[in-house]
Amino acid sequence: AAGVIQSPRHLIKEKRETATLKCYPIPRHDTVYWYQQGPGQDPQFLISFYEKMQSDKGSIPDRFSAQQFSDYHSELNMSSLELGDSALYFCASRKGSPGTEAFFGQGTRLTVV
Amino acid sequence: SQQGEEDPQALSIQEGENATMNCSYKTSINNLQWYRQNSGRGLVHLILIRSNEREKHSGRLRVTLDTSKKSSSLLITASRAADTASYFCAGAGSYQLTFGKGTKLSVIP
Repeated sequence: AAGVIQSPRHLIKEKRETATLKCYPIPRHDTVYWYQQGPGQDPQFLISFYEKMQSDKGSIPDRFSAQQFSDYHSELNMSSLELGDSALYFCASRKGSPGTEAFFGQGTRLTVV
Repeated sequence: SQQGEEDPQALSIQEGENATMNCSYKTSINNLQWYRQNSGRGLVHLILIRSNEREKHSGRLRVTLDTSKKSSSLLITASRAADTASYFCAGAGSYQLTFGKGTKLSVIP
């Protein structure tokens, strides 16, 4: 069965550069979540989209932005990267009501040097 | 403080023993989900319990939910070395899935 696809799996950027992370949800899933997980930390909710509209916002820095496109894939854009942005970034998707489970991608490991 | 606080944060047991992890949450939820994460890897969904359910079983997993106390527990019976991982609970609201700090379980062969 198709899973949530994230690309790239690994990314190395320098400070002050820009990064774009992509997420392809499971087909027919209408909700996408983005999370950031630092080393040894719990996943922190960044932002979510439902039917291509932003539905909720968590601890996402102003330097980051995200959107969900007409094909339901989502991109997380990160600008003016800082060393502290080094983390695993997860995307998850689910279908329909809040009562359904969310499926996570394998994550993108971003390293800022 | 965050929704989905796990207790204990680290747990070490012998293979074959049962492992119990607790979680508390702060806001209203539609359901509570438990996830497993191997070191540096993706989050794998284990089980979902709805807010109108009190207990749910799946294989060696047993989850309870007490909405009056805003708490949940995950019991893994007859643990195996392969169960070694971090376990997170996450409260699901309308649009947000909020994770807690996780319990790092080590199962010693």
